[in-house]
Amino acid sequence: EVYLVESGGGLVQPGGSLRLSCAASGFTFSSYSMNWVRQAPGKGLEWISYISGSSSTLYYADSVRGRFTISRDNAKNSLYLQMNSLRDEDTAVYYCARGYYDSGLDSWGQGTLVTVSS
Amino acid sequence: QSALTQPASVSGSPGQSITISCTGTSSDVGGYNYVSWYQHYPGKAPKLMIYEVNNRPSGVSNRFSGSKSGNTASLTISGLQAEDEADYYCNSYTISSTLVFGGGTKLTVL
Repeated sequence: EVYLVESGGGLVQPGGSLRLSCAASGFTFSSYSMNWVRQAPGKGLEWISYISGSSSTLYYADSVRGRFTISRDNAKNSLYLQMNSLRDEDTAVYYCARGYYDSGLDSWGQGTLVTVSS
Repeated sequence: QSALTQPASVSGSPGQSITISCTGTSSDVGGYNYVSWYQHYPGKAPKLMIYEVNNRPSGVSNRFSGSKSGNTASLTISGLQAEDEADYYCNSYTISSTLVFGGGTKLTVL
């Protein structure tokens, strides 16, 4: 069975940084593209970043480009999101999700909450 | 990239059918057959219900179906059940190789 477990969320001040992790198991991690998706309180889902299995291709939503960096370590079956210059509007539950446009996002973690507040 | 447009809410009685629309542009929904739909219970992980417009992943009930016409995709749930009450989101591939979600639709089973 596929498992995705996010960690690293917490309270951070505006302008601060945070690194999220997503531990994967139950599948050949390096063979799959991965994504980060977030949901702000009371709002809908927002796709924010994509990384190919080999890390050769990266994509970002306009809302985070230049501030967030997606990466992965296939040897550790882990996905990461480095978040810098955090803003109040980055407050959200952050999910990691497996897949891309052709297969859909077929497996999701339970999410980790990031709160940006002074 | 602007979010796809979905109705904020829809409702139906048990046994009925409902349809949720998802409107985009020729740069996303209309340009590719890569629309997916997700069911999301608050506090839980979203679940993929439909991919590539009208394909169901293994284990998803055949009461869920998808379609597309022009720039608008649709999710239809037939034989509505109480357990279907959830938030539903559409998602599309875009001309920029990114993904974009709809604003979400809250389904209420009366």
